[in-house]
Amino acid sequence: QSVLTQPPSVSGAPGQRVTISCTGSSSNIGAGYDVHWYQQLPGTAPKLLIYGNSNRPSGVPDRFSGSKSGTSASLAITGLQAEDEADYYCQSYDSSLSGQGHVFGTGTKVTVL
Amino acid sequence: QVQLQESGPGLVKPSQTLSLTCTVSGGSISSGSYYWSWIRQPAGKGLEWIGRIYTSGSTNYNPSLKSRVTISVDTSKNQFSLKLSSVTAADTAVYYCAREELELRPRWFDPWGQGTLVTVSS
Repeated sequence: QSVLTQPPSVSGAPGQRVTISCTGSSSNIGAGYDVHWYQQLPGTAPKLLIYGNSNRPSGVPDRFSGSKSGTSASLAITGLQAEDEADYYCQSYDSSLSGQGHVFGTGTKVTVL
Repeated sequence: QVQLQESGPGLVKPSQTLSLTCTVSGGSISSGSYYWSWIRQPAGKGLEWIGRIYTSGSTNYNPSLKSRVTISVDTSKNQFSLKLSSVTAADTAVYYCAREELELRPRWFDPWGQGTLVTVSS
């Protein structure tokens, strides 16, 4: 159902760098719509992590960074910490013949080894 | 600091209508600068945007749910509501309300409510 595809899981040791991809199409990311990222800790609501492709809200560590190119976007976490273990979702907007609206990625679980 | 809180029945029977309310505190829903959205998440699965409303009453819905969804706003109570008709077990999920800035380009969701679990079962 999700139109944005993410890897189901990524893992890394503390201190390492991990990246999460978010692959869309010409009707969403490729159409120029921005990509936003959320972190969801177990049992809690999603929290805004990156907005407008690469911007961090106040309070989000600079270990988190985002980028966008073509029909895809990426979230990078450098200096991985135990507290980063969570689910991560990308979000964009889709406009096609079947309609338009906000869309989310399939989600990626980050495991800190 | 704006906060959102969902409320409503935690159990709904199949074929009935799910009804939830989101109460906004710390700011006015009538400020005119925001859309107000509903988003859901089945257990162990991803997020799905349901739809949004502007304080004027203008709505946008997920095409896949459009035939069953109604979102309304009550500015006097600083609340907006979701109605989802003809529910089935597939509608069992945690339902979140969230705010989106009103701009020319679609924006992000922030903040979110804590979410409320709705189970569809007889």
